[in-house]
Formats: sequence, structure tokens, C-alpha cells
Amino acid sequence: KAGVTQTPRYLIKTRGQQVTLSCSPISGHRSVSWYQQTPGQGLQFLFEYFSETQRNKGNFPGRFSGRQFSNSRSEMNVSTLELGDSALYLCASSLTASQNYGYTFGSGTRLTVV
Amino acid sequence: DAKTTQPNSMESNEEEPVHLPCNHSTISGTDYIHWYRQLPSQGPEYVIHGLTSNVNNRMASLAIAEDRKSSTLILHRATLRDAAVYYCILRARANAGGTSYGKLTFGQGTILTVHP
Repeated sequence: KAGVTQTPRYLIKTRGQQVTLSCSPISGHRSVSWYQQTPGQGLQFLFEYFSETQRNKGNFPGRFSGRQFSNSRSEMNVSTLELGDSALYLCASSLTASQNYGYTFGSGTRLTVV
Repeated sequence: DAKTTQPNSMESNEEEPVHLPCNHSTISGTDYIHWYRQLPSQGPEYVIHGLTSNVNNRMASLAIAEDRKSSTLILHRATLRDAAVYYCILRARANAGGTSYGKLTFGQGTILTVHP
């Protein structure tokens, strides 16, 4: 079956712009999480959505937001981009957010802010 | 979230077994132990998870200490494709809206190098 699909794979944006990243989870998966990966901070949790509702949020400024649609597809948005937002953004999906299930990750979107 | 401690790096030879340790002395009774790995230029990949009993799947085995304060991920025959960063993660039981809900807390992991 198809894995987690993230689009676009690469993106270059200018400081101050906004960006929207897309994630299509595995069919049937209803929990979608987002992570930011940088060399300095490693993998950090951004937020998690289940049934179109944000259930948990990491320690990121309000410029980072997301949403989930009725088909479980998810988008994340970063407004007023800063140089420090350059990172690999990863989406992961699971049947549920239960601790007894693993998450499947996509290959990520590499965002470069110049 | 309870903390895990892993060695920064380990090395192995191809075709040999690899034992990747993880200490989690503050684990609670309901925390599950999860392992993920991340190959270069890819997103993390789920490997295995367990609660109390040892677990096996097609990728690896997970051995959990009787007191659950440590665990070991076992790759039975390492291949070059197993070279990756391996993360040991504790997942707490969480209700919707809780700070642990749907969240994986990644540490620095163990960089595994496999020699031909």
C-alpha cells in the first residue's frame, strides 16, 4: 500500500513569506503528526491531529499551524518565515494515537529560507 | 516524558548480530518502549515496540529487562542497509489533550555503523 506522501519534497522561500506543506497519510490512518528536524535540535514534535482536531501541540510559536481534513490529509503552515525555520519537516501517520501503535513517516519536505 | 539513555555510537560488522542498548530507569508501568531508526536522507522508520514481554518481528527483536529499566534492540544479522540512527522512545499512556498524546520524543539516538 502507498506510504505517507509529503509534498513538495523541496522548497525555497524568502524571509517573511509563508509556506504550506501537505501530507497524505496511509489510507485508514487517522492520526497525523508533524515534526521539525534540524542538525542542532534534532527531531522535535510540532503537533498532532486526529479526526480533524488538534490533540497536542509542541513548543513552537504561533506562526506554526496546521489542520486536518475529513479524509485525514493534513497541512501545516508557517507564516512570516525566519531563517531558523530552515529544516526538514516530517509528517507521520498512524491508525490511532494510541501508545500501542507505531507511526509511519514520510520522506519529508526540505524547507530552505533565504 | 520519561528519559532514555543510549550510547552515542556503535559499530558492527556485516552479517554479525548487533545489540543496541537503552536505559530508561524512570519508566512508568504503563509506558511502552518503541524503537525507530532513521537512514540517511529518509524519515524515521518504525522498528518495533513492546510493553513487558520480549517481542520479535521481521526486522528485529526487542528484549526488555524484567524490571523494565532497560531494553535491547537486537538486529540478528546486520547488513549495510541497517546503518542508521536508532532511537529508543518511551510512549506514555495519554488521553486526548494530554502532553504525551500522539507524540514521539526523540533523543540523540545511537549512530550504528556497519562495516563490510
